[in-house]
Amino acid sequence: AQSVTQLDSQVPVFEEAPVELRCNYSSSVSVYLFWYVQYPNQGLQLLLKYLSGSTLVKGINGFEAEFNKSQTSFHLRKPSVHISDTAEYFCAGGSSNTGKLIFGQGTTLQVKP
Amino acid sequence: DGGITQSPKYLFRKEGQNVTLSCEQNLNHDAMYWYRQDPGQGLRLIYYSQIVNDFQKGDIAEGYSVSREKKESFPLTVTSAQKNPTAFYLCASSITGINEQFFGPGTRLTVL
Repeated sequence: AQSVTQLDSQVPVFEEAPVELRCNYSSSVSVYLFWYVQYPNQGLQLLLKYLSGSTLVKGINGFEAEFNKSQTSFHLRKPSVHISDTAEYFCAGGSSNTGKLIFGQGTTLQVKP
Repeated sequence: DGGITQSPKYLFRKEGQNVTLSCEQNLNHDAMYWYRQDPGQGLRLIYYSQIVNDFQKGDIAEGYSVSREKKESFPLTVTSAQKNPTAFYLCASSITGINEQFFGPGTRLTVL
């Protein structure tokens, strides 16, 4: 089955601590992978994307993600979070079978002071 | 500036009325999408179109209809057949189906 799975529905973390949001994709999903952020009552904004090349991808707002083909993972990381990073984060992968993006269920990152 | 616009931002309708949500893009993208988002849930695909004058049902198309008469426009009609239409609706577009999608700001529909 084609799927993108975000392993945590909620991640609470204290300000200035590091964070990792986990994402796994099924092998039938192509290696076009994306992370989006959504702030309350807004649309989704692209954080970063992996299309090919270096497996470590750097995005906006200090986020980065690592593509791991052997583990079929694309985890999102930030070394030190801010209160303003509190938002919903979505992982997505391109399905070569359906020709569409498949989105994970989302992870709510809650940064506490 | 290129991007996607959705209007209105907030929409209120009485139960039993059809309502049309607007989505316009000036990115020259072939593909366009409509998603529904409910509190605590992810994105659910309603309809998508990969080319003008053609569109396909997504996972939750019942009670919705779309048209794609122009490349830049993909309006969504929420009909009275939709049992629970109150939700946040997002429109998106992309160059092709598996590429990066660009999202509009969303329309929050409340049916009273």
